[in-house]
Amino acid sequence: DADVTQTPRNRITKTGKRIMLECSQTKGHDRMYWYRQDPGLGLRLIYYSFDVKDINKGEISDGYSVSRQAQAKFSLSLESAIPNQTALYFCATSGWERTDTGELFFGEGSRLTVL
Amino acid sequence: DAKTTQPPSMDCAEGRAANLPCNHSTISGNEYVYWYRQIHSQGPQYIIHGLKNNETNEMASLIITEDRKSSTLILPHATLRDTAVYYCIVRVGAAGNKLTFGGGTRVLVKP
Repeated sequence: DADVTQTPRNRITKTGKRIMLECSQTKGHDRMYWYRQDPGLGLRLIYYSFDVKDINKGEISDGYSVSRQAQAKFSLSLESAIPNQTALYFCATSGWERTDTGELFFGEGSRLTVL
Repeated sequence: DAKTTQPPSMDCAEGRAANLPCNHSTISGNEYVYWYRQIHSQGPQYIIHGLKNNETNEMASLIITEDRKSSTLILPHATLRDTAVYYCIVRVGAAGNKLTFGGGTRVLVKP
């Protein structure tokens, strides 16, 4: 099983619908992230959480919200989806111990299409 | 975090070394250089990182210039499976785990 699991992997929805993308991890990491990738571009950070009680906005948080339900779970919500939120979404985790390399571990991605 | 500049694309012959350059002229003394790659639309994969010394692991080597303003990722014997987009990122180490991805270099390994 993958260390970082995203569901759903693919989703097609309509404008105005509420969508939730879920992420769970078995790495035991405290830090979790949501990124968005548009075709041909790099990843942009939406939200990140350094522990269960910590939530921080990234560079493109407008139109999104998150929930850190537990150390292992971090969900991304689109309250009212719009077509320009069509993208590939990635969840990632990392450790913070002194022995950690700072490496981020990514899920397989969730492809969202908003019609 | 310091900004990086990479060529948008490059080709490489299978079996040959691939040398991927990255400029980071505004890097700070406490910022590390990280390399990730993304194969097709999969999640990015960590390759290697370094502060000022050259580093090598089973995947690649990282050469950082003495002034730390640029670096080169070396894939010693490129295979077709190394075709991917390679991202060079600079940031404060493990304490600041946010990664800011630029456009990367699209590497095509040809037979």
